Amino acid sequence: SQQGEEDPQALSIQEGENATMNCSYKTSINNLQWYRQNSGRGLVHLILIRSNEREKHSGRLRVTLDTSKKSSSLLITASRAADTASYFCATLDFGNEKLTFGTGTRLTIIP
Amino acid sequence: NAGVTQTPKFQVLKTGQSMTLQCAQDMNHEYMSWYRQDPGMGLRLIHYSVGAGITDQGEVPNGYNVSRSTTEDFPLRLLSAAPSQTSVYFCASSYSRGAGYEQYFGPGTRLTVT
Repeated sequence: SQQGEEDPQALSIQEGENATMNCSYKTSINNLQWYRQNSGRGLVHLILIRSNEREKHSGRLRVTLDTSKKSSSLLITASRAADTASYFCATLDFGNEKLTFGTGTRLTIIP
Repeated sequence: NAGVTQTPKFQVLKTGQSMTLQCAQDMNHEYMSWYRQDPGMGLRLIHYSVGAGITDQGEVPNGYNVSRSTTEDFPLRLLSAAPSQTSVYFCASSYSRGAGYEQYFGPGTRLTVT
């Protein structure tokens, strides 16, 4: 069963705008990871946030984690055409070696 | 480093045929896993391995076998292909004995079962 649910399923914005996508999950987690997938390609790791962290930054990416609400958000600032891709969250439960992926958000950046 | 490699890139099988999807990594990673990706379903874990000689089932293991005789290789075997196994298959690896670290993905194998 899917652990993470991304919202929205699809998002289109103008180049230069910020893009925010959300991930909700069901159980207590060890960490949460975000991945990007360009069309027809494998997934690329973007950022990992642990359950005891609330916010993390990497370049134009900002991830937040709210364990009380069982949710995370990924913010991409100053979007570029190259950011067009699908974005997935993935969660790791405590005591488990299985990474569970959500269904993804399809982001389209309009030049 | 070549990273994670998968062969073949594309494959068409008839129902009932068997085949092996190959996955190899040259990063000396302990953890390796197989996922399938279907439209609207995200990625679902088939099998995983925390090291050579150790494998375990994921979310959707039925119809698939794996073995891990070396650190580098983690082949996925389809025993008797069914149309429901039409999917894109991804192999991934991670440097430590666990899924709690950055996963490196291969480029995928697109499988069609007719």
